[in-house]
Amino acid sequence: AQKITQTQPGMFVQEKEAVTLDCTYDTSDPSYGLFWYKQPSSGEMIFLIYQGSYDQQNATEGRYSLNFQKARKSANLVISASQLGDSAMYFCAMREGFTGNQFYFGTGTSLTVIP
Amino acid sequence: GAGVSQTPSNKVTEKGKYVELRCDPISGHTALYWYRQSLGQGPEFLIYFQGTGAADDSGLPNDRFFAVRPEGSVSTLKIQRTERGDSAVYLCASSAAVGGNNEQFFGPGTRLTVL
Repeated sequence: AQKITQTQPGMFVQEKEAVTLDCTYDTSDPSYGLFWYKQPSSGEMIFLIYQGSYDQQNATEGRYSLNFQKARKSANLVISASQLGDSAMYFCAMREGFTGNQFYFGTGTSLTVIP
Repeated sequence: GAGVSQTPSNKVTEKGKYVELRCDPISGHTALYWYRQSLGQGPEFLIYFQGTGAADDSGLPNDRFFAVRPEGSVSTLKIQRTERGDSAVYLCASSAAVGGNNEQFFGPGTRLTVL
């Protein structure tokens, strides 16, 4: 089974609007971490936000917030007030176990912000 | 400060040839990772170094792939007898520590094309 599933290959959003990118995960380990990365056309992966499995509150970083629903095993990324520079691929990733070394990535969602 | 750097940015080779891909991690980062990203996919884990030793090489696809990190900083990924299926972007990442909320910082990648 896939450890990370991103079901939206492509998404469009109007500039200044909010958008939600979906991510579900699969693990039996009670300790894990969830990460979102942005990959512009230049190719470099840029870290956006982190959510730990034991964190009580949803993570927020500026315009990025993570809608963490543990029982549903979902960790959706919400981008508020979209900007043209947000157009990129977005990847959800999971670290299994507190000291897990590898990240498991989803297949990504391509976001296009429309002016 | 300087991020993760990778050289070359592009490498074109012929089937059967040997290639080396280099990664310079962020100074002071003891953990180093190699991932492979095929077209339309998320990065897939290859190998993880803690210091000079390969702590987890479970992602290497076969014995044609090998990586070293002799002095605990720069790492080289080596691919022998390259095949067309090896064509992908090879990403290197580093982190200050493993686990918890420690994100992995990624380099720009090396795009390998095997003709």
